Formats: sequence, structure tokens, C-alpha cells
Amino acid sequence: QQQVKQSPQSLIVQKGGISIINCAYENTAFDYFPWYQQFPGKGPALLIAIRPDVSEKKEGRFTISFNKSAKQFSLHIMDSQPGDSATYFCAASKGGANNLFFGTGTRLTVIP
Amino acid sequence: NAGVTQTPKFRVLKTGQSMTLLCAQDMNHEYMYWYRQDPGMGLRLIHYSVGEGTTAKGEVPDGYNVSRLKKQNFLLGLESAAPSQTSVYFCASSILLGTGPYNEQFFGPGTRLTVL
Repeated sequence: QQQVKQSPQSLIVQKGGISIINCAYENTAFDYFPWYQQFPGKGPALLIAIRPDVSEKKEGRFTISFNKSAKQFSLHIMDSQPGDSATYFCAASKGGANNLFFGTGTRLTVIP
Repeated sequence: NAGVTQTPKFRVLKTGQSMTLLCAQDMNHEYMYWYRQDPGMGLRLIHYSVGEGTTAKGEVPDGYNVSRLKKQNFLLGLESAAPSQTSVYFCASSILLGTGPYNEQFFGPGTRLTVL
């Protein structure tokens, strides 16, 4: 079964708006939570990542919020731009292992 | 640096045919991975390797074999292709665990495989 559940499947946001993508997990052994960004015809690329010892990580317009007790984490894209239009995947890994379990992806479209 | 490259970019097979997908990386990474990406299912790990000469099964290994004879190359084989193996295949690589702050995986551009 899917170890990391992601929603929504697709998202349309106006330019300048906030995009929010949510993920949830059950396995409390997960200790690393990255987000990958994928443009059409390309491979995914690491966007931002967080470990459970912090509740928030911000890099530019991108922020991960992490709720350990709820076993949920989310990606917030502030001031969304058309260039942010891509598919976003959350993921998790456990026990220091490099193997990633990916969510099902969210296709984000930012309308000019 | 070319990063992670994959050969071929596209391929069409008939059911029962075999083929090998080649992944190469020039970053001297220890770890390499093969994923498949299907609509609505995200990326799923097929096999991975933690070093030259070693391989291990991922989430969906059935119907695939892999080999890592050289550190920079990771091959994915389909011995008898089935329509269920129609997918986009991605190779990735990463540094040795514990030698950096992130377990960042670097992905190739993908191979689109269709099995008729």
C-alpha cells in the first residue's frame, strides 16, 4: 500500500497566490522528508527537505511545515509563479536508509 | 558533468521481448536506483545498489533484474516484457549515506517504455 499519501492530485492557483500540498504517513520510523519537483519530460529534482527535529523549514518561497504528532507534512509555495507549474512529489525515508517512498504526486498549474 | 544519463530515451517492445536499460553517472556516487513512474502512483523503487557488485530489491522488483558491474553504471533488464511494464523508468544516484546533510537523489531524464 502507499506509505506516503499525498493530496490534492491536482491544483490550480492564480499567480501570486499560495500553493499548499499535503502529505501524510503512518510509519513512525520515517526520519527524512524531501519534496521533489518534476517538470514535463524531466526527472524529479530535490526542492527542499526536512528532518523531524524541526517543525518548519523555509528556502526562499518554499516552506515545509511538519507536524510529527499528526504524522503530516506540507509544502507551501508563496507568491506562486507560472514557472512553478510542475508536478510535486513528497517522499519519506527511514532509519538513515537512502530508499525513498514517494507520494502519488500533485500537478500544480499557476495561472498568469 | 553530465550527471545521470539514461539510454535509450524511448523504446517500444512486443510482449515477450527482452531489453536492457542503461544508466550512467559521472558523480562518483555509491548508491544507484531504478524507479518506475506510473500515472497516479508516483515513483516506485524497483531495485537499488549500494555499491559496485551489490544489488537489492525495492518495492516492485518482479519481472526485472539489475547489475552493477562498474560503479558508474547500473543496468535494468527486462527478460520477458509484459504490457504491465509499460511505464517511464528513472534512474537515480546518491552519495554514500552519512557523507552529506541530505540523502539527495539525482535523477536521470527517464526512459519511456511501451510494451505492446
